[in-house]
Amino acid sequence: SYVLTQPPSVSVAPGKTARITCGGNNIGSKSVHWYQQKPGQAPVLVIYYDSDRPSGIPERFSGSNSGNTATLTISRVEAGDEADYYCQVWDSTSDHWVFGGGTKLTVL
Amino acid sequence: EVQLVESGGGLVQPGRSLRLSCAASGFTFDDYAMHWVRQAPGKGLEWVSGISWNSGSTGYADSVKGRFTISRDNAKNSLYLQMNSLRAEDTAFYYCAKGRITVVRGAQGYFDLWGRGTLVTVSS
Repeated sequence: SYVLTQPPSVSVAPGKTARITCGGNNIGSKSVHWYQQKPGQAPVLVIYYDSDRPSGIPERFSGSNSGNTATLTISRVEAGDEADYYCQVWDSTSDHWVFGGGTKLTVL
Repeated sequence: EVQLVESGGGLVQPGRSLRLSCAASGFTFDDYAMHWVRQAPGKGLEWVSGISWNSGSTGYADSVKGRFTISRDNAKNSLYLQMNSLRAEDTAFYYCAKGRITVVRGAQGYFDLWGRGTLVTVSS
């Protein structure tokens, strides 16, 4: 089945830019969605269709997808952005929704 | 208020059964596919199952196929997950999630609303 690979952790100082990657075979040909999950809370959609933001999500959150890597970028990182982030795709070969393993974002 | 509320979790012995429920409110339930996603303690998200708006199509992860059954009652705005032959590795928080479209399959069907989850613990 299709595998999505994320780094286990990313650390960034407040005010800087965080980039969280999601690797997959030719992932650029798929639509990637991103979810944020804070401790003890349900996941929240932050990016859909590679780079679109749902209403209520700050413009600081953006996404891109090309080749074998999709990237979630968080600009001007704030303490409140500290969370786990998951990428997701629909894999038509396996007929399954697939999540990446998740990346813990730590704000230093 | 737009929300999903799961219930039915608890402690169950290996090999036994459990039925989870998810109550939806604040949106037109039968306009959307619905899904179950689980998360073992300290682990990542795993899609478990999905059902189309009219129950005409379902999908299951390989890890639960043949043991779990998803269903919905549009008249009651409710989603269910019947879990049989439970194993220790099924221990997880189970989240109910709303799909963006009517069907389970396809990239357009990302999950735009999640419940807070219910914990299932499988242990003797």
